[in-house]
Amino acid sequence: DAKTTQPTSMDCAEGRAANLPCNHSTISGNEYVYWYRQIHSQGPQYIIHGLKNNETNEMASLIITEDRKSSTLILPHATLRDTAVYYCIVRGYSGGYQKVTFGTGTKLQVIP
Amino acid sequence: GAVVSQHPSWVICKSGTSVKIECRSLDFQATTMFWYRQFPKQSLMLMATSNEGSKATYEQGVEKDKFLINHASLTLSTLTVTSAHPEDSSFYICSASEAGKGAIGNQPQHFGDGTRLSIL
Repeated sequence: DAKTTQPTSMDCAEGRAANLPCNHSTISGNEYVYWYRQIHSQGPQYIIHGLKNNETNEMASLIITEDRKSSTLILPHATLRDTAVYYCIVRGYSGGYQKVTFGTGTKLQVIP
Repeated sequence: GAVVSQHPSWVICKSGTSVKIECRSLDFQATTMFWYRQFPKQSLMLMATSNEGSKATYEQGVEKDKFLINHASLTLSTLTVTSAHPEDSSFYICSASEAGKGAIGNQPQHFGDGTRLSIL
């Protein structure tokens, strides 16, 4: 399974853009990059996903490098409610079963 | 849309009892459901992949006789922790992928709010 590596923690000032990096250097061709976030004692919330093109939705933007070995989640205007643990996961389908690998997670603290 | 409901949200029971946790997809059909366990301040660890109508696939180190998974319909999967002991105390989370939405890897997982299990 492809593994992901993320910084343990990050701070971001309220109103500024939060850029959360993720390394997935062993990603294979059919694996998607997903981002989720988890607020304490809740289930993870889906944010965005992509294969090779950059993606944007109402929550965030996802920038994937051309070699697909890393990606960055961008929260354009961070608010206090964005304080959470952000997980980057790689997911695909191989050999008759689905692969799901969670990263270490980045604890994002949005500061007033 | 795409809501996953998990029940119960919190359970406390005595050592040696069995506990069943339900995971339901409320507004979509789920061919595949996943069960995770999360210890404090750690990431989610995949326990097993549950496919409707077939046996679950367990991750290495997860005892299939200890953690029984049943996925009898496209909207319900259950995890039963048999003969639970204090070391089984954890936060259990399920997720589901919607059936028939393109390539399997291109289907977001939708997570339940988790079940906090405490074994005394």
